[in-house]
Amino acid sequence: AQKITQTQPGMFVQEKEAVTLDCTYDTSDPSYGLFWYKQPSSGEMIFLIYQGSYDQQNATEGRYSLNFQKARKSANLVISASQLGDSAMYFCAMREGSGGSNYKLTFGKGTLLTVNP
Amino acid sequence: ETGVTQTPRHLVMGMTNKKSLKCEQHLGHNAMYWYKQSAKKPLELMFVYNFKEQTENNSVPSRFSPECPNSSHLFLHLHTLQPEDSALYLCASSQEGSGEGYNEQFFGPGTRLTVL
Repeated sequence: AQKITQTQPGMFVQEKEAVTLDCTYDTSDPSYGLFWYKQPSSGEMIFLIYQGSYDQQNATEGRYSLNFQKARKSANLVISASQLGDSAMYFCAMREGSGGSNYKLTFGKGTLLTVNP
Repeated sequence: ETGVTQTPRHLVMGMTNKKSLKCEQHLGHNAMYWYKQSAKKPLELMFVYNFKEQTENNSVPSRFSPECPNSSHLFLHLHTLQPEDSALYLCASSQEGSGEGYNEQFFGPGTRLTVL
């Protein structure tokens, strides 16, 4: 079974509107972290936001917020007020286990977001 | 230089060539990673080094040979590659063991490798 599932291969959004990118995960470990990265066409992976499994509140970073629903094992990324520069691939990723014992970051297949003017 | 740098940015090599990819991090981190990103496949972790010691090798073929001479530099030596090894190779670094939770990994721009 896939550990990270991103069901939307591609998404379109109008400039200045909000968009939600879906991510579901699979783990039996009570301790884990969830990350979202952005990859523009240049190739570099840019860290956006992090949510720990024990965090009580949803993470927010500027225009990015993470809709964390632990019981449903989902960690959707919400981008508010989309900008043309937001057009890129977006990857959800997970790291399991206690910090320092497992370095592996497992990535989903990604969602290609296109922002239309 | 800031962040994580990788050289070269593009590399074309024949199957009999030997080449090396270089990664340098300027963030003072203690862990470095090599990832492979192939078309239509999720990003795959290849190697992890923590405090210069290799802590993970994700069943990578021996034609890929990593080297970590110090905590700031990471190399990936390539020899007798196959066309299916053509991919974007990304280097990343992070600071491990600094408290609760996980720290993000910072990525370099990648090396686009084409094997003919």
